[in-house]
Amino acid sequence: QVQLVESGGGVVQPGRSLRLSCEASGFSFRTYGMHWVRQAPGKGLEWVAFIVYDGSDKYYVDSVKGRFTISRDNSRNTLFLQLNSLRTEDTAVYYCAKEGNDVLPDYWGQGTLVAVSS
Amino acid sequence: AIQMTQSPSSLSTPVGDRVTITCRASQGIRNDLGWYQQKPGKAPKLLIYAVSSLQSGVPSRFSGSGSGTDFTLTISSLQPEDSATYYCLQDYSYPYSFGQGTKLEV
Repeated sequence: QVQLVESGGGVVQPGRSLRLSCEASGFSFRTYGMHWVRQAPGKGLEWVAFIVYDGSDKYYVDSVKGRFTISRDNSRNTLFLQLNSLRTEDTAVYYCAKEGNDVLPDYWGQGTLVAVSS
Repeated sequence: AIQMTQSPSSLSTPVGDRVTITCRASQGIRNDLGWYQQKPGKAPKLLIYAVSSLQSGVPSRFSGSGSGTDFTLTISSLQPEDSATYYCLQDYSYPYSFGQGTKLEV
């Protein structure tokens, strides 16, 4: 079955960087686009980024453009999110999710917590 | 960016009743909308895609409708396990955007 396992979260100071990973299994990773979605503590869901199956196109929410970079390694079935110039408002659980019907995220990982604090 | 406005923000409804949650888009999004259920401490679960298509494994008491800018999620014959927060998500154009969520207590 589809499994997505995020890692790389932690506590980081404002202005610093972090790299999140999402290891995929149970499906043909190289043929699906992938999303990152985040959720600040006690708040709603926020879509963050999407990368198409071969990495040739990437899309971001305005608040992270120029700071975050989504990428993938299809040889390792792994999705990444590079978080630079972190701000306190980036504190959230970050979920990776597989593209499903109509591009909507269908299967989700359990999330990894990023806490930006001085 | 497209704004998604969800209502109500919360509601409490008895077991067996029917409930409707509404999502309004700031511009037309054709049928590019899905609905998610999220329980505390868990990842969201896709219920409905393309406005009205039921995701595999989701009970048939969940249904979706609408077009253009106005959409609804209906849960008929509410069960205790339906207590959760529900979100709509538009995938018509980037950046995708969620509604602010509806907390349902059964």
